[in-house]
Amino acid sequence: EAQVTQNPRYLITVTGKKLTVTCSQNMNHEYMSWYRQDPGLGLRQIYYSMNVEVTDKGDVPEGYKVSRKEKRNFPLILESPSPNQTSLYFCASSFSPGTGLFPQPQHFGDGTRLSIL
Amino acid sequence: AQKITQTQPGMFVQEKEAVTLDCTYDTSDQSYGLFWYKQPSSGEMIFLIYQGSYDEQNATEGRYSLNFQKARKSANLVISASQLGDSAMYFCALLSGANNLFFGTGTRLTVIP
Repeated sequence: EAQVTQNPRYLITVTGKKLTVTCSQNMNHEYMSWYRQDPGLGLRQIYYSMNVEVTDKGDVPEGYKVSRKEKRNFPLILESPSPNQTSLYFCASSFSPGTGLFPQPQHFGDGTRLSIL
Repeated sequence: AQKITQTQPGMFVQEKEAVTLDCTYDTSDQSYGLFWYKQPSSGEMIFLIYQGSYDEQNATEGRYSLNFQKARKSANLVISASQLGDSAMYFCALLSGANNLFFGTGTRLTVIP
């Protein structure tokens, strides 16, 4: 089954304790991205990756790191989590980056709910 | 700057009726894409439908259609024959640049039996 898999689905942790949210897709997609969803703000992009070893900042990258060593995996790293990073996080992927001329729908994982105390 | 506006925080529709969810956008790009996603209470984001800015015909996927009016910069989602399972949050999104999706704040649809 084609899917984007995120782990963990839920996590409660404390300020300053490094954590990693994993994301894996089995569709051989080139493009992967991380979003956070907060009430009243919709989804905002954190980082994205056009291909292996190619990553770039989205709209809200502060406090996050990513890596793309393999095509299928795109982990999100919070080196020193803070309470303002409490949110619902989504990983997404698409076959290619896509453009306005050739839009590519992004397929989302089921989300990871992070609570940082 | 890219912007997506969904002015309806909540909508109600009777089961089996049609409903239109509004979305307006603003972009300086000539080429762009517009997407609709559904988020049920379980939290996952489900892709529904999309429209490219150069597509002349409105997109259709089953009971979903996208009413694209380029001159008015609107991309409304029409759901026909509403079902109880359609109750969810619906997000409109604009594709711009390197596949960066800009999302609206969403519309919560409730289908009444």
